[in-house]
Amino acid sequence: SQELEQSPQSLIVQEGKNLTINCTSSKTLYGLYWYKQKYGEGLIFLMMLQKGGEEKSHEKITAKLDEKKQQSSLHITASQPSHAGIYLCGAEEGGSNYKLTFGKGTLLTVNP
Amino acid sequence: ETGVTQTPRHLVMGMTNKKSLKCEQHLGHNAMYWYKQSAKKPLELMFVYSLEERVENNSVPSRFSPECPNSSHLFLHLHTLQPEDSALYLCASSQGVQGRDRKYFGPGTRLLVL
Repeated sequence: SQELEQSPQSLIVQEGKNLTINCTSSKTLYGLYWYKQKYGEGLIFLMMLQKGGEEKSHEKITAKLDEKKQQSSLHITASQPSHAGIYLCGAEEGGSNYKLTFGKGTLLTVNP
Repeated sequence: ETGVTQTPRHLVMGMTNKKSLKCEQHLGHNAMYWYKQSAKKPLELMFVYSLEERVENNSVPSRFSPECPNSSHLFLHLHTLQPEDSALYLCASSQGVQGRDRKYFGPGTRLLVL
């Protein structure tokens, strides 16, 4: 089965700093999803990437899927306290349409 | 607000109790899911329903019993749970069961089994 490794596991940054979170898959990625979760709450959809080399942005968050389609990165520019939370990557398991495999998440803390 | 609601938000139960978790989606979706999120573990898919039919039971113990009476409602019936079943239980829905059908998650039910 597919496994997703997220790095770092946790991250503390000062407000205004840029940061990057990585998601590496053990298999080719057919669809990569980024979600954000506040502690103990549900997941909020951020972005979905499907094609190698694809890049999407929403406000100050940019996600990329690398050409070889086994890694994705999430970049936050000029971080704010509102960006704090757990960032999860999820990927479609090849051959199984509805199954999403998730990483363990990256806990982001933004200090004012 | 994602259009998926879950009740209760918090639940404490003993190992001999029977309780049910409820999920409702107001999005007109055809697929619904139960996920389990334990500390320091990836999100685990438990059950998938498509058009009220179960299409996936991901090796979940029988003490968890799902029910989908219609495409808008999903229940998870719990009985004789173990302390290791304590976790955040998340419900999700999507238009279909294609992998690229975006999943909308509810806020979760935080379950503590004593």
